Amino acid sequence: AQSVAQPEDQVNVAEGNPLTVKCTYSVSGNPYLFWYVQYPNRGLQFLLKYITGDNLVKGSYGFEAEFNKSQTSFHLKKPSALVSDSALYFCAVRPYNTDKLIFGTGTRLQVFP
Amino acid sequence: NAGVMQNPRHLVRRRGQEARLRCSPMKGHSHVYWYRQLPEEGLKFMVYLQKENIIDESGMPKERFSAEFPKEGPSILRIQQVVRGDSAAYFCASSPTVGSTDTQYFGPGTRLTVL
Repeated sequence: AQSVAQPEDQVNVAEGNPLTVKCTYSVSGNPYLFWYVQYPNRGLQFLLKYITGDNLVKGSYGFEAEFNKSQTSFHLKKPSALVSDSALYFCAVRPYNTDKLIFGTGTRLQVFP
Repeated sequence: NAGVMQNPRHLVRRRGQEARLRCSPMKGHSHVYWYRQLPEEGLKFMVYLQKENIIDESGMPKERFSAEFPKEGPSILRIQQVVRGDSAAYFCASSPTVGSTDTQYFGPGTRLTVL
């Protein structure tokens, strides 16, 4: 079955420190991978996506993600966290030749001052 | 360029009533997707529509749920005879063309509460 796993329900990090939010996937064929962020009572905002090419993808608000095919991972990273980064982060995969996104269960990021 | 619009933002219904959720895609987008988010869960795909066509409804419950995207006007997700288990946030997304590489842009969602 095609799926996305976000193994951490919550990640806590101090402001200024680097952050990583983990994501692994299981799909057949080449995956298209996405990260979205959700603020309270808001919709999802697109952060970045991997389609092909360079394994390191840069996105909005200083976020980046690294695609690792051998580990089937697509971890979200930021070199220096801000308190305003505190939100719910979703990893999603769009299997090749389909139209739907498959989402992970989300990771709540809490950045402390 | 306005984003994806959804209304109402909050909807309260009693069991057995009908819920109608509306979604206007971003300007220039002709593909609409509906997702449901249950409390403390990720989003689950429901249906994918183009103008006047349902392309993929594999995530729609077999009964009581229907969706349309008419030639004119917004896409509508309709839930008949709502039950408490229908309480969730319903998100609409749109994309400009069909293709696995296209980004789906999400609206703010409609939060449905069934009493």
